[in-house]
Amino acid sequence: DGGITQSPKYLFRKEGQNVTLSCEQNLNHDAMYWYRQDPGQGLRLIYYSQIVNDFQKGDIAEGYSVSREKKESFPLTVTSAQKNPTAFYLCASSTSLGGTEKLFFGSGTQLSVL
Amino acid sequence: ILNVEQSPQSLHVQEGDSTNFTCSFPSSNFYALHWYRWETAKSPEALFVMTLNGDEKKKGRISATLNTKEGYSYLYIKGSQPEDSATYLCARLRLSYNFGNEKLTFGTGTRLTIIP
Repeated sequence: DGGITQSPKYLFRKEGQNVTLSCEQNLNHDAMYWYRQDPGQGLRLIYYSQIVNDFQKGDIAEGYSVSREKKESFPLTVTSAQKNPTAFYLCASSTSLGGTEKLFFGSGTQLSVL
Repeated sequence: ILNVEQSPQSLHVQEGDSTNFTCSFPSSNFYALHWYRWETAKSPEALFVMTLNGDEKKKGRISATLNTKEGYSYLYIKGSQPEDSATYLCARLRLSYNFGNEKLTFGTGTRLTIIP
């Protein structure tokens, strides 16, 4: 079945540690996205990518980094510079970047700080 | 309206009853509106993408309307069933003249609980 796979489901980060969240899709989509959800807030865009080897900052990119070396994969690294990383992270993809294409989401990763 | 707002925040509805809730958004530079359903422990799932003023979309017992001039969309559920229990998210896309800079702005959602 086609879809988006995020791993791990739960992740714990120690102070000063970088952690990487995995996102893989087999939908042959060009565009991929990372969103963050905090209690009482809407999903906020961290980074997005239109094509391989290209990505753009979203609204809250500080303290995060991404790569897009393959079409299927869009990993997100939460660096030690992100001072408040505890949140639920959702990866999504769409056929193209254009706004009228519906998003397909993964099941998310809950990141907590030890 | 400066941001995307959804009301009510939560809603309890008796099984079999019909219900509706609202997504309000800035009407200026409107391009598209998305609705998603997010069941607990699952992935958000797209319901509708709407672009035209006056547009109405339907999927089974769920329908949505769009008023881009006044900046709102309604989501209707007819004859609620337990499987309709979920959080319903809307997201607005603002028209951008800088290709590649289009970004969805999400509301905080309406959490719907169907009481058997």
